[in-house]
Amino acid sequence: GENVEQHPSTLSVQEGDSAVIKCTYSDSASNYFPWYKQELGKRPQLIIDIRSNVGEKKDQRIAVTLNKTAKHFSLHITETQPEDSAVYFCAASIGTNAGKSTFGDGTTLTVKP
Amino acid sequence: GAVVSQHPSRVICKSGTSVKIECRSLDFQATTMFWYRQFPKQSLMLMATSNEGSKATYEQGVEKDKFLINHASLTLSTLTVTSAHPEDSSFYICSAGPLPRGLDGYTFGSGTRLTVV
Repeated sequence: GENVEQHPSTLSVQEGDSAVIKCTYSDSASNYFPWYKQELGKRPQLIIDIRSNVGEKKDQRIAVTLNKTAKHFSLHITETQPEDSAVYFCAASIGTNAGKSTFGDGTTLTVKP
Repeated sequence: GAVVSQHPSRVICKSGTSVKIECRSLDFQATTMFWYRQFPKQSLMLMATSNEGSKATYEQGVEKDKFLINHASLTLSTLTVTSAHPEDSSFYICSAGPLPRGLDGYTFGSGTRLTVV
């Protein structure tokens, strides 16, 4: 089955700096890669996603890049703010069955004011 | 749009009892619902896939007789933890979809914090 590795497990940045979280996946058939933000005790919230036919996608301060050849994708957050502090999960899934995702282990992001 | 409600949000039960968790899609019909379990400071682990009108498909290592899943309608799936034990204490989250109007991905429910004492 699919295996998703996520790094780093913890990340601390100063407010205003950028944060980058990287994930690798093993199954070349995976073609949908969502990123979720989870605050303590709450549900994961989809913040951005990318399909395998696209190399990069941006939404305001958040961007995701995908390298299909190398089987890795990254989340980039620019101009970080304290409210960006949370656990971020990457995931990979195959086909239209996007809900059956394999998740990375998560990255705890702390943005220091 | 695409709201998923999960109930209850928190439940404490005694060891040996059963607990039912509901996952509802409020404004769309969900042919598929997934049930995940998340232990503290860990990732989400898929437990089972629930398709409306058919038997759930369980992931390896998940006991189907312990975690009963029913998806009787396009808006409701239930997970029943039978004969719960302290090691079943966890955060249980459902996701439902596919989303309407061509939206990508699935939407997660609000989660249920189960504590077995």
